[in-house]
Amino acid sequence: EVQLVESGGGLVQPGGSLRLSCAASGFTFSSYEMNWVRQAPGKGLEWVSYISSSGSTIYYADSVKGRFTISRDNAKNSLYLQMNSLRAEDTAVYYCARHKRWLQLHDAFDIWGQGTMVTVSS
Amino acid sequence: EIVMTQSPATLSVSPGERATLSCRASQSVSSNLAWYQQKPGQAPRLLIYGASTRATGIPARFSGSGSGTEFTLTISSLQSEDFAVYYCQQYNNWPLYTFGQGTKLEIK
Repeated sequence: EVQLVESGGGLVQPGGSLRLSCAASGFTFSSYEMNWVRQAPGKGLEWVSYISSSGSTIYYADSVKGRFTISRDNAKNSLYLQMNSLRAEDTAVYYCARHKRWLQLHDAFDIWGQGTMVTVSS
Repeated sequence: EIVMTQSPATLSVSPGERATLSCRASQSVSSNLAWYQQKPGQAPRLLIYGASTRATGIPARFSGSGSGTEFTLTISSLQSEDFAVYYCQQYNNWPLYTFGQGTKLEIK
């Protein structure tokens, strides 16, 4: 079964750090680009970060640039998000999502994890 | 940044009826648009990509149309499991993908 399982969420004080993990199974992880997407309580979806299959290309949303770092370990079938200098507005459910491309013409996030909650509060 | 605007914010429809959800882009995204369904407490689920192609396993009652700046998701005959929040997403401006704010489809 194709699956993504996030972990590492929790309660952290403003200015603190947290590292999220996403364990992939059921597919060749090293062949896929990956993303992190977040959803604040009662709000919509916000793309956070992208990493290529090799890890050589990385992008961030402006809202997290300079504070968050995406990485992956293909040998461990795992994706990570290191979050530093956390703010109250970073409070959200964080999802990892597989990036699927069809014939280099279309792409979308075809597999999502169940999400992990991050709460930034004193 | 391409802004995606969905309407209406909430749509009330009876089971068995047709639902039509709209998504507008602030600039042309060609056919580079996807639709997702999200139920309470669950992750989003991909429904449509390329504006009109159903993802694997998605029932035929879901259809997408449009190009450029105007897009529509139609659910032909609503089933109880279809009541959820629906998001559109543009991927024309890679990698700065943006989502709409969502349309909540509720039972009338």
